[in-house]
Amino acid sequence: QAQLVQSGAGVKKPGTSVKVSCQASGYTFTMQYIHWVRQAPGEGLEWVGWINPNNENTNYAKNFQGRVSMTSDTSINTVYMELNRLTSDDTAAYYCAREFCSGGNCYAVFDVWGQGTMVIVSS
Amino acid sequence: EIAMTQSPATLSVSPGERATLSCRASQSVGSNLAWYQQKPGQAPRLLLYGASTRATGIPDRFSGSGSGTEFTLTISSLQSEDFAVYYCQQYKDWLRTLTFGGGTKVEIK
Repeated sequence: QAQLVQSGAGVKKPGTSVKVSCQASGYTFTMQYIHWVRQAPGEGLEWVGWINPNNENTNYAKNFQGRVSMTSDTSINTVYMELNRLTSDDTAAYYCAREFCSGGNCYAVFDVWGQGTMVIVSS
Repeated sequence: EIAMTQSPATLSVSPGERATLSCRASQSVGSNLAWYQQKPGQAPRLLLYGASTRATGIPDRFSGSGSGTEFTLTISSLQSEDFAVYYCQQYKDWLRTLTFGGGTKVEIK
């Protein structure tokens, strides 16, 4: 059974960086893109970007370009998302999510999600 | 960027009744539209993709329709476990950006 397990919650100071990990199991890690989605407390979902774990090709949402970096380590089936220059607006739960594939086609929708990592930015 | 607008923001429905949720795209997304359900403290759950195809294990009381810019999620007979927040998401432009609607909260009337 496919599963994504994320690193634990944390508190960060404004101006610093956070790096969240997402470890996959139960499927072939390199075959499906991983996306990151965040959700501020009481708010909706915001797409951050995706990474192809096989070759580390990435695409980031405009709102995060220049401030986010996604990487992968195929030896441990793990992807990482690092967000720099944090502000209080970055306080949110960050989710990794796997793209859905069926019948040889893949779609940028998400059938497996991590449990979420709460990042609180506070001085 | 394609903007997604959901309505209403909150829907009050009695158990056993039908719920109809709407999602509008600022430009055509074809059938590249998904719906998710999210309960408090949980990650979202994929319900439908391709505007109308149910994901694995999703009960048939959930159905989707629409194409282009107007989409509907219908829950035919609300069960207690269906009270949650529902989000639509377009993925037509996935190489550049994905966008979610603001969500509709379905609450007990």
